Amino acid sequence: QVQLVQSGPEVKEPGASVKVSCKASGYTFTGYYLHWVRQTPGQGIEWMGWINPNGGGTNYAQKFQDRVTMTRDTSISTAYMELSRLKSDDTAVYFCALRPVAGPKPIFDYWGQGTLVTVSS
Amino acid sequence: EIVMTQSPATLSVSPGERATLSCRASQSVSSDLAWYQQKPGQAPRLLIYGASTRATGIPARFSGSGSGTEFTLTISGLQSEDFAVYYCQQYNSWPPAFGQGTKVEIK
Repeated sequence: QVQLVQSGPEVKEPGASVKVSCKASGYTFTGYYLHWVRQTPGQGIEWMGWINPNGGGTNYAQKFQDRVTMTRDTSISTAYMELSRLKSDDTAVYFCALRPVAGPKPIFDYWGQGTLVTVSS
Repeated sequence: EIVMTQSPATLSVSPGERATLSCRASQSVSSDLAWYQQKPGQAPRLLIYGASTRATGIPARFSGSGSGTEFTLTISGLQSEDFAVYYCQQYNSWPPAFGQGTKVEIK
């Protein structure tokens, strides 16, 4: 069965960076695009971008274009989302999510458990 | 970018009754519309995609309808486990966008 297990909660100061991991199991990691989504009380649920684990290609939401980097390590079936120059309104729960079909279509059948990132001085 | 608007923000319903949730897109999304259910402390759960197709394992009491800019999620015979927040999401154009959610609470 498909499982996405994310790294634990993080507390960061403004201006710092955070890197969240998402370990996949139960399917061929390089077979399907993986998306990152975040949820905040103020902005609701926002799509941040996707990574194609087969080759590493990415597509980022314009809002995060200059601050987000999505990478993967196929040897351990793990994807990463790094967000830099953190601000207080980046405080959110970050999710990885996927649909196990070909292509990047953003319908999310499977989700990680979420990672709370708190940005505070 | 497409903006998704859900109404009402909160819906109070008695167990066993029907709940009708609305979602409006700022421009046509054809039938590229999904619905999710979220409970506190959990990730969203996919209920419906393609505006009306139930995801795997979703009970038949959940049904979706609509196309273009107006969509509806209907929950027939609400059960205790259905009280949650529901989100619509368009995936017709990039970036995908979610509505702000409708909370279905016990009346």
